[in-house]
Amino acid sequence: EIVLTQSPGTLSLSPGERATLSCRASQSVSSNSLAWYQQKPGQAPRLLIYGASSRATGIPDRFSGSGSGTDFTLTISRLEPEDFAVYYCQQYGSSPYTFGQGTKLEIK
Amino acid sequence: EVQLVQSGAEVKKPGESLKISCKDSGNSFPSYWIGWVRQMPGKGLEWMGSIYPGDSDTRYSPSFQGQVTISADKFISTVYLQWRSLKASDTAMYYCARGPSGYDGSGYWSIKGMDVWGQGTTVTVSS
Repeated sequence: EIVLTQSPGTLSLSPGERATLSCRASQSVSSNSLAWYQQKPGQAPRLLIYGASSRATGIPDRFSGSGSGTDFTLTISRLEPEDFAVYYCQQYGSSPYTFGQGTKLEIK
Repeated sequence: EVQLVQSGAEVKKPGESLKISCKDSGNSFPSYWIGWVRQMPGKGLEWMGSIYPGDSDTRYSPSFQGQVTISADKFISTVYLQWRSLKASDTAMYYCARGPSGYDGSGYWSIKGMDVWGQGTTVTVSS
């Protein structure tokens, strides 16, 4: 089973700043099958990025994903007030399709 | 537009059985994997397992193997998550989600993560 470790656990930033979230896998993720999700309180998760770097339909271009192998990054170039939420990475290259523990992005 | 609509909240006692559902109102059924994800109160997301309704191929996380059963009825575009004997520790929100792969509207095999999510079903198990 691939274990995903996200860092930091909590990130405190202000609107307009740049956010960098990390996801590290315990072994190489097959075909860069890595997704990022955003979850706001009381809502279902929403797919942001798939295939490590492809934006899902309707996702603003301030969200970008990068990385390969075992190290992946989600970058939000300029934070908007609606971006403060919890972010999860998930690998779907090999079953079980594990999630990271999440990074909470909070307003500073 | 693909939509996954889940059954309503449930309150059960320990030892009772339960089956919750997830209906696909779009046209991706039965050609897309559908998965179940657990979120315990205040905690993160856990992938439980997935089913391909076209042939009922099913995969489970080792953490949930033997604890739940995932099934599908492709004739009514519905996927199920079932427990035979609930425990208090099953109290959680359960989401169904489409993906990570399946045939898209153009007939191509698409691998895009879990791109459509149900609204969630709250399950509370308490004596």
